Amino acid sequence: DVKVTQSSRYLVKRTGEKVFLECVQDMDHENMFWYRQDPGLGLRLIYFSYDVKMKEKGDIPEGYSVSREKKERFSLILESASTNQTSMYLCASSLGLVRTGELFFGEGSRLTVL
Amino acid sequence: AQKITQTQPGMFVQEKEAVTLDCTYDTSDQSYGLFWYKQPSSGEMIFLIYQGSYDEQNATEGRYSLNFQKARKSANLVISASQLGDSAMYFCAMREARTDSWGKLQFGAGTQVVVTP
Repeated sequence: DVKVTQSSRYLVKRTGEKVFLECVQDMDHENMFWYRQDPGLGLRLIYFSYDVKMKEKGDIPEGYSVSREKKERFSLILESASTNQTSMYLCASSLGLVRTGELFFGEGSRLTVL
Repeated sequence: AQKITQTQPGMFVQEKEAVTLDCTYDTSDQSYGLFWYKQPSSGEMIFLIYQGSYDEQNATEGRYSLNFQKARKSANLVISASQLGDSAMYFCAMREARTDSWGKLQFGAGTQVVVTP
């Protein structure tokens, strides 16, 4: 089974802190994604990556950056956390160029910024 | 503009009954894929079913079926014989052809389903 592991289920940080959210997948997937989930808004794409060291902005990249130094690992970075970044963050991965190409998700990281 | 619209924020359904979750989408692409995911209270996202825009038959997976009406841009999920374990948030999502290589999905706001005994 595909496994996508997010390093922390719950985090509490203070405004202005730098926050790292780590994601590792074990199925050699090319594509990796970071989504943010908020009530009433569904999931919104922050950044994605289709190869090592490659990254593309999603719909809401402001205030975030990402790093993909190894194929299996995709990190989301909040350079200076703000209260409006309190949310559930979901990492996902997928194979490229397959018929369905469904995303496989991690269990999510719930971040609270005080 | 919202590409995926789920108009039902929440609904109750009795055990053993069927339930239909609405989803409409907006795209100018001819080739696209539609997905449904389930998110229980534990938080993980579970892939349920996929429908390609060129698929002639409606997709089915066990108790899940997708009522695909292309002209109406509608992709409703039907859950037959509801079970208590079906209580969850359900998300409709779309992948458009121009981003197919990367597999980006766009999600709706979700519908919370509560199954009652």
